[in-house]
Amino acid sequence: EVKLLESRGGLVQPGGSLRLSCAASGFPFGGYAMSWVRQAPGKGLEWVSAISAGDFSTYYAESVKGRFTISRDNSKNTVYLEMNSLRGEDTAVYFCAKFGTTVVSWFDSWGPGTQVTVSS
Amino acid sequence: DIQMTQSPSILSASVGDRVTITCRASQSISRLLAWYQQKPGEAPKLLIYQASTLGSGVPSRFSGSGSGTEFTLTIRSLQPDDFATYYCQQYDNYSPYTFGQGTKLEIK
Repeated sequence: EVKLLESRGGLVQPGGSLRLSCAASGFPFGGYAMSWVRQAPGKGLEWVSAISAGDFSTYYAESVKGRFTISRDNSKNTVYLEMNSLRGEDTAVYFCAKFGTTVVSWFDSWGPGTQVTVSS
Repeated sequence: DIQMTQSPSILSASVGDRVTITCRASQSISRLLAWYQQKPGEAPKLLIYQASTLGSGVPSRFSGSGSGTEFTLTIRSLQPDDFATYYCQQYDNYSPYTFGQGTKLEIK
């Protein structure tokens, strides 16, 4: 059974930083692309970032480019999202998601999500 | 970016009804479309990928169709567990991936 579990988020001041992690199990982690998707309060889903399996290519939404960094450690079956220069509009539940195959595919499994609140 | 537009935004229906949700893409995405179901406080769940392939464990009352720019999700014989919000998502232009704004399926 595929399991994805995000680390605890939290309350961060504007301009601050936070690193999220997502521990994966139940599938050959190194063979699958991974992604982060967020959902602001009462809003829809917004894709944030993705990382491929083979060459660790990374992809970002324009809204986070230059501020967020995605990475993965296949030895720990974990994907990370380093978030810097956080803004109020980054407040959201952040979901870790597994691609069905490569980065050109759907999200077939999701973690339960973790709340990130950016506020002074 | 490819824009995804769902209609309707809110849909009221009764248990046993057949309902259809439409998703339109701003440009052709072939069949590179997925549908998700999300309940309050929960993560989204994959229902359909490649426009019409049922996800693992998804009941057969769910079906998807379409290609190019117009797609539909149909739920045959609504069950109480089906009342939720549904999202379409394109993965043709994979950076960025884009979602529709969601369709909330409510009990009439």
